[in-house]
Amino acid sequence: DVKVTQSSRYLVKRTGEKVFLECVQDMDHENMFWYRQDPGLGLRLIYFSYDVKMKEKGDIPEGYSVSREKKERFSLILESASTNQTSMYLCASSRLGYGNEQFFGPGTRLTVL
Amino acid sequence: AQSVTQPDIHITVSEGASLELRCNYSYGATPYLFWYVQSPGQGLQLLLKYFSGDTLVQGIKGFEAEFKRSQSSFNLRKPSVHWSDAAEYFCAVGAPGGSYIPTFGRGTSLIVHP
Repeated sequence: DVKVTQSSRYLVKRTGEKVFLECVQDMDHENMFWYRQDPGLGLRLIYFSYDVKMKEKGDIPEGYSVSREKKERFSLILESASTNQTSMYLCASSRLGYGNEQFFGPGTRLTVL
Repeated sequence: AQSVTQPDIHITVSEGASLELRCNYSYGATPYLFWYVQSPGQGLQLLLKYFSGDTLVQGIKGFEAEFKRSQSSFNLRKPSVHWSDAAEYFCAVGAPGGSYIPTFGRGTSLIVHP
């Protein structure tokens, strides 16, 4: 059974903390994505990566950075967490190319106090 | 750039009733089209997708969708809804030859009454 796993389902952090969200996929996919999901706003792309050490900004990259040192792992980093980053974070992966299905992890609900 | 609109934020249906969720896209040619479902507390799962060919696409869980080029629509349908279909549904569009990152709609929340 193919899987995308995320390191935490729920996370509570304080303002100013550095936060790491980890995502691992076991499908040997080239593409990996980080989305933020907020009610009424759908999924908004933060960053994506099409290869190890390669990354591209999505629609809302401000306040976030990413790291992809291994093909199966894609990390989202909040350098200094703020309350407006309280949200659901979804990781996804897909094969390289057009029109390929994305496989999603279960999400991490992050609360920043 | 492509865009997608899901005009209904919430839809309420009774169990056993038929369902249609609307999706309209904006793109100059025939795009890739997807419907995903997100059950409570879960990630998204692909229901079905359209690339070309037959405009009526069958998916999992008894869902189907019809691509209508003239209306720029890709509506999702199910003839008889089950309580377990209560979830958030997302339409997504991808652009052949452009960025392969799909654009998601804002989602439609389906509420099923017993």
